[in-house]
Amino acid sequence: AQTVTQSQPEMSVQEAETVTLSCTYDTSESDYYLFWYKQPPSRQMILVIRQEAYKQQNATENRFSVNFQKAAKSFSLKISDSQLGDAAMYFCAYRSSQGAQKLVFGQGTRLTINP
Amino acid sequence: DAEITQSPRHKITETGRQVTLACHQTWNHNNMFWYRQDLGHGLRLIHYSYGVQDTNKGEVSDGYSVSRSNTEDLPLTLESAASSQTSVYFCASSESGRGVKDTQYFGPGTRLTVL
Repeated sequence: AQTVTQSQPEMSVQEAETVTLSCTYDTSESDYYLFWYKQPPSRQMILVIRQEAYKQQNATENRFSVNFQKAAKSFSLKISDSQLGDAAMYFCAYRSSQGAQKLVFGQGTRLTINP
Repeated sequence: DAEITQSPRHKITETGRQVTLACHQTWNHNNMFWYRQDLGHGLRLIHYSYGVQDTNKGEVSDGYSVSRSNTEDLPLTLESAASSQTSVYFCASSESGRGVKDTQYFGPGTRLTVL
C-alpha cells in the first residue's frame, strides 16, 4: 500500500519570504499523480498544484512550485513571496494512475506566516 | 456555477443513532468519494463510487455505508453512531479519465460529534 509522509508538523515563515514544505511517499508504481492541497481555517480543501509522475518538468502555479524527485520519492512544495493568506494546513497526496482513484494523504503541515 | 455541497455543516448526535450526511455535486462527475479527517491522520477514505449503483469500500469503511441512486448524490450513513466516529467528513468528486479532468474537488466538510 502506498504511504505519504509529511515530516514537518509545523512551519513558519516571514511574510514575503520563501518556504519549502516536505513530502515523501512510498510506492512500487511507476505512473501516478501527486498533489498539494491547502486547507485554511474555513476547512475547505483547495487544490494548490498537481504533478504527473511521467512528466519530468516540475509543476508551477504562480507563486507555488514543486521539486519532484521521482527516484528519491520526494515531492516538496515551495511557496515564494509568502502572503498572510497562505497560512493554512497543507496536505500532500498521492493517487495511483490505475485502479481505485482514491487519494492517500499525508498528515499535514501547518504553515504560519509571520507579518 | 457548478459546485459540491454537504449538509448539514455541523451535527451533534448520540451514540447508537443512525445518521446520514448528504453530498450533492452539480458537475455531473462520475466519481464521488467520502473521507474523514482526524488529527494526526490527514484524510482517510471511507467509501467511493464510480457511477450510479456502484459503491466500494475504502480503508476505514466499518460502520459506514453509501448508496448511489443518481449521479449527483452520494449520502453517507452511519448505521449506529459511535464516539470514535466523531470527525470532520469530506465529500469529493472527479471526472473519469486521465489528466487534469480527474482531479478531485472537495465539499466544505461536515463536523460530526457523537456524544
